[in-house]
Amino acid sequence: AQSVAQPEDQVNVAEGNPLTVKCTYSVSGNPYLFWYVQYPNRGLQFLLKYITGDNLVKGSYGFEAEFNKSQTSFHLKKPSALVSDSALYFCAVRDFSGNTPLVFGKGTRLSVIA
Amino acid sequence: ETGVTQTPRHLVMGMTNKKSLKCEQHLGHNAMYWYKQSAKKPLELMFVYSLEERVENNSVPSRFSPECPNSSHLFLHLHTLQPEDSALYLCASSQDPQRGSYNEQFFGPGTRLTVL
Repeated sequence: AQSVAQPEDQVNVAEGNPLTVKCTYSVSGNPYLFWYVQYPNRGLQFLLKYITGDNLVKGSYGFEAEFNKSQTSFHLKKPSALVSDSALYFCAVRDFSGNTPLVFGKGTRLSVIA
Repeated sequence: ETGVTQTPRHLVMGMTNKKSLKCEQHLGHNAMYWYKQSAKKPLELMFVYSLEERVENNSVPSRFSPECPNSSHLFLHLHTLQPEDSALYLCASSQDPQRGSYNEQFFGPGTRLTVL
């Protein structure tokens, strides 16, 4: 069975500082990995995904994520945080070898403080 | 959020009421999803429709009944709900959800449901 873990419920970072939101996964085959963001009173918005190829994936709003197969991780990063980045972030995984649904983590709330 | 729309945005209902949630996608996708989002819990997949056929039903109580009349519309019919069913219900769509698909899902804004 596939699963994804986001070990931090809350991440606080000062504006202008780099941010990292952690994600680890477990699949039986090779993973498809996704990051979504949810702003208050909104649905989830797609940020970026890893399918294959370059381990560093760049996405929307200056976010990027690094796929690390040995550590089964896909941490979300941004070099310089903005107050407007404050939101709920979800990591999701799908095992590409099976007809399985997308599995989401429980989410990490990011607060960027001015 | 014109890609996937949901109505109503807010709904308050009693346990004996019958109501329906509506979702419409304008993206030309062939798969649609219902998710339940509760506080402090992971997103729960409820139903998946691919090409208007239900392909996933994750042990959802029968008081939730989905309907997909065409690839652009998805409904969730609600009947005799319980207070613990209060949550944000999210609709999503994607292209080609079958084996090996890596296509991302596009979400609507959700319906905030409160069951009294």
